[in-house]
Amino acid sequence: GAVVSQHPSRVICKSGTSVKIECRSLDFQATTMFWYRQFPKKSLMLMATSNEGSKATYEQGVEKDKFLINHASLTLSTLTVTSAHPEDSSFYICSAREDAAGNQPQHFGDGTRLSIL
Amino acid sequence: QQPVQSPQAVILREGEDAVINCSSSKALYSVHWYRQKHGEAPVFLMILLKGGEQKGHEKISASFNEKKQQSSLYLTASQLSYSGTYFCGTEINYGQNFVFGPGTRLSVLP
Repeated sequence: GAVVSQHPSRVICKSGTSVKIECRSLDFQATTMFWYRQFPKKSLMLMATSNEGSKATYEQGVEKDKFLINHASLTLSTLTVTSAHPEDSSFYICSAREDAAGNQPQHFGDGTRLSIL
Repeated sequence: QQPVQSPQAVILREGEDAVINCSSSKALYSVHWYRQKHGEAPVFLMILLKGGEQKGHEKISASFNEKKQQSSLYLTASQLSYSGTYFCGTEINYGQNFVFGPGTRLSVLP
């Protein structure tokens, strides 16, 4: 159980393109979803936390207009990187948690490797 | 505030033990432990919520000290499959401010 599906797994696109990444909880309802960015050999950096039906809470330094997050249902959250540039190239990974409390684990998707040319 | 993890890296021979520490300057609501293999998603290991708590099984277990500022992950009789980067994640408040530590890279050699 507790499977999170993330698509696409890899994206290569030209500078200026907008890219949408989907994160779905397949067998549970995710009250909270998290979006992370990870650089090579580094830790996961939390970008934003989203609760179903609410606006996402962004971490300091993360541009809201650049990284649009929508959590329209209890099983789907999307991250859209708008007008992507080479510096946005990274590994983006989502996770989902069944409730908002800290006593539930985060279940991770397999990540999306984004390369902007 | 990001928790501190130590050591940064450790190399073991199969069958040896390891301890990975995670500490915070503030009392924590919870500590989570995850393992990530190269190019893969992190995999959940365990959560600790109570001061003085110990949980896990014989091979992989963790503790949370009474002050709830430090947690340790114990890897006993390590196997090749234990190789990866171990992250602790901490929450200071109920459902808020979740932060991953910098990670500890564990390599188990035959």
